[in-house]
Amino acid sequence: DTEVTQTPKHLVMGMTNKKSLKCEQHMGHRAMYWYKQKAKKPPELMFVYSYEKLSINESVPSRFSPECPNSSLLNLHLHALQPEDSALYLCASSQGGGSSAYTQYFGPGTRLTVL
Amino acid sequence: GESVGLHLPTLSVQEGDNSIINCAYSNSASDYFIWYKQESGKGPQFIIDIRSNMDKRQGQRVTVLLNKTVKHLSLQIAATQPGDSAVYFCAEIQNYGGSQGNLIFGKGTKLSVKP
Repeated sequence: DTEVTQTPKHLVMGMTNKKSLKCEQHMGHRAMYWYKQKAKKPPELMFVYSYEKLSINESVPSRFSPECPNSSLLNLHLHALQPEDSALYLCASSQGGGSSAYTQYFGPGTRLTVL
Repeated sequence: GESVGLHLPTLSVQEGDNSIINCAYSNSASDYFIWYKQESGKGPQFIIDIRSNMDKRQGQRVTVLLNKTVKHLSLQIAATQPGDSAVYFCAEIQNYGGSQGNLIFGKGTKLSVKP
C-alpha cells in the first residue's frame, strides 16, 4: 500500500479565514513533505518533516504553518492567505534512509482557491 | 537553480506507438532518479526509478535509460495508450544527508496520445 490521503480535496477561503489541510499515511514512513504546485509547473518544496521534526523550511511565509502531530499525520495551517497562494497543495511521504528509500509517494492534493 | 530539465515541453504520439520522454540533469553527484506521471487534477504518481550505478531499468511497458556521460535520462513507454496521457516529470535525489533526500523536479513534459 503506497497511499497518502489528503483532505479536503477542494478548499475555497477568504483572505481573513483560517483553515487547515490534512495529510495521512500508514506506510510507516518517517519523512513527510508539503509541496505547492501552480498550473503547468513542477511541485515546489515547502516543508520537510523527518521523524516528526521540521527539518526543512524553504523560506515559506509565516502565513503557512506546518504541524506534525505524529508520524502518520501532517497538517498545514493557513491564515491570512493571498490570492497568489491559490494552488494545488501536495503532501508526500518517504521511508527515509538510503537513496531508494527517499522515493516520495504523493497524495492527490488539495486544490486551494483564495478569494 | 533547477538542475533537472526536459528537452521537450510537449509530445504528441499516436496510440500504439512508442513514446520517448527526455530529461537532462546537471548535478553529476545525484545518485538516484525517478520518473513521475501526473494526470490532470491528481498528485504525481511514481512510475519507475533508477540508481546511478545502472544504465537501464525496465518496468511494465516502461524503460528508463540513464547516460551518466552526458547526464541524460529518458523514459520510454511502449505501445502508448490513451491512459498514458499526462504530464511526466523526471526528478533527481540530491542526498544532503539526514533521513530524507531533497527531490529536485524537472519542468515536465505533457504527453498527448491521439486515438
